[in-house]
Amino acid sequence: GEDVEQSLFLSVREGDSSVINCTYTDSSSTYLYWYKQEPGAGLQLLTYIFSNMDMKQDQRLTVLLNKKDKHLSLRIADTQTGDSAIYFCAEKDTGRRALTFGSGTRLQVQP
Amino acid sequence: SAVISQKPSRDICQRGTSLTIQCQVDSQVTMMFWYRQQPGQSLTLIATANQGSEATYESGFVIDKFPISRPNLTFSTLTVSNMSPEDSSIYLCSVDLAGETSSYNEQFFGPGTRLTVL
Repeated sequence: GEDVEQSLFLSVREGDSSVINCTYTDSSSTYLYWYKQEPGAGLQLLTYIFSNMDMKQDQRLTVLLNKKDKHLSLRIADTQTGDSAIYFCAEKDTGRRALTFGSGTRLQVQP
Repeated sequence: SAVISQKPSRDICQRGTSLTIQCQVDSQVTMMFWYRQQPGQSLTLIATANQGSEATYESGFVIDKFPISRPNLTFSTLTVSNMSPEDSSIYLCSVDLAGETSSYNEQFFGPGTRLTVL
């Protein structure tokens, strides 16, 4: 079955870059997503990448995909205190269209 | 994009009772999903709800416990039946826009319904 794994916690200083990593097992994944969840809030779609791409950049966010190793990362440049949240990666396989989520990485940004 | 609303936003219920959660989307979508997020956990898919057909449930979830309606392309309900404290979670609906009005493959989530069962 599908499995998506993330490290649980990351702490960075304000202004530094944050890199959140994710690994997945389903080789038929078509799209991979990053969501942000702030305390008490819903899920905000940050970005997504198609599985035939290696990289996608959107303002301060850079997504890198290593399809061979089934490794996905989200880099946040110039991390701000407002970036403190839980970040979920998720994958969608070819037929199902529902998402399988990782456990979430709690990002703590220290002033 | 899609704007999704859910009602209620939160509720506190007694064990043994049932709660129906509503999900409204501002555009017509074929595929809607219901997820559960237990406290401090990730999201788990409960079922896929397509208009005009029976919902498809994931392993560990059954229709008697989580009946779903999908009467049209903008609305769905999830009922949590005969609740127990283990049902305390956030319940979220989502929509997949792939193949709808655009070629995008974005999935958007509602704000969630925070359920506490005493």
